[in-house]
Amino acid sequence: NAGVTQTPKFQVLKTGQSMTLQCAQDMNHEYMSWYRQDPGMGLRLIHYSVGAGITDQGEVPNGYNVSRSTTEDFPLRLLSAAPSQTSVYFCASRRGFAEAFFGQGTRLTVV
Amino acid sequence: SQQGEEDPQALSIQEGENATMNCSYKTSINNLQWYRQNSGRGLVHLILIRSNEREKHSGRLRVTLDTSKKSSSLLITASRAADTASYFCATDKRTGANSKLTFGKGITLSVRP
Repeated sequence: NAGVTQTPKFQVLKTGQSMTLQCAQDMNHEYMSWYRQDPGMGLRLIHYSVGAGITDQGEVPNGYNVSRSTTEDFPLRLLSAAPSQTSVYFCASRRGFAEAFFGQGTRLTVV
Repeated sequence: SQQGEEDPQALSIQEGENATMNCSYKTSINNLQWYRQNSGRGLVHLILIRSNEREKHSGRLRVTLDTSKKSSSLLITASRAADTASYFCATDKRTGANSKLTFGKGITLSVRP
């Protein structure tokens, strides 16, 4: 049972480039979320989804897009990377209103 | 804005001592959860307490919830060096079928051997 899998683990982008952070879970969880973690800021919610075809914005959605075409996958797209998006990104999933399971994170640097 | 605020920001104790961490939040919640993060890793769930519960235990962990004061505390008894990590509280707020899990900034716990 893999749980929540994020790829890649590390990425360096140039300003203006676009990329997709992948997140997949094999627990059939309906809820999936993306967070970013910055020093001194804790985890901030970017986007979340309560099921396939349904997404909503969190605290810091600007510059990011998401879609949820399947229960398993919840990719996060950076449209035009900026240095302010340098961060560690975590994907999480959960069943209903229970505990969340986190991936190992993607460390992104935008130069 | 972030819902939960942990206190203190950093805590350093000797192995064998108890560690108490606090979390305050602003709006009504459905449940509150505590997570742990080791350096460079993802978060791991520790314990969940529902809004109609006042206290919960899990091994060396004890969590309390006071909804009238909008606060929670996490007690780790008989701490070990391996408990060194960051600890986060997260509030679960439901709106219809939606549920948002919002985290605080975290507490850095150092347990000295």
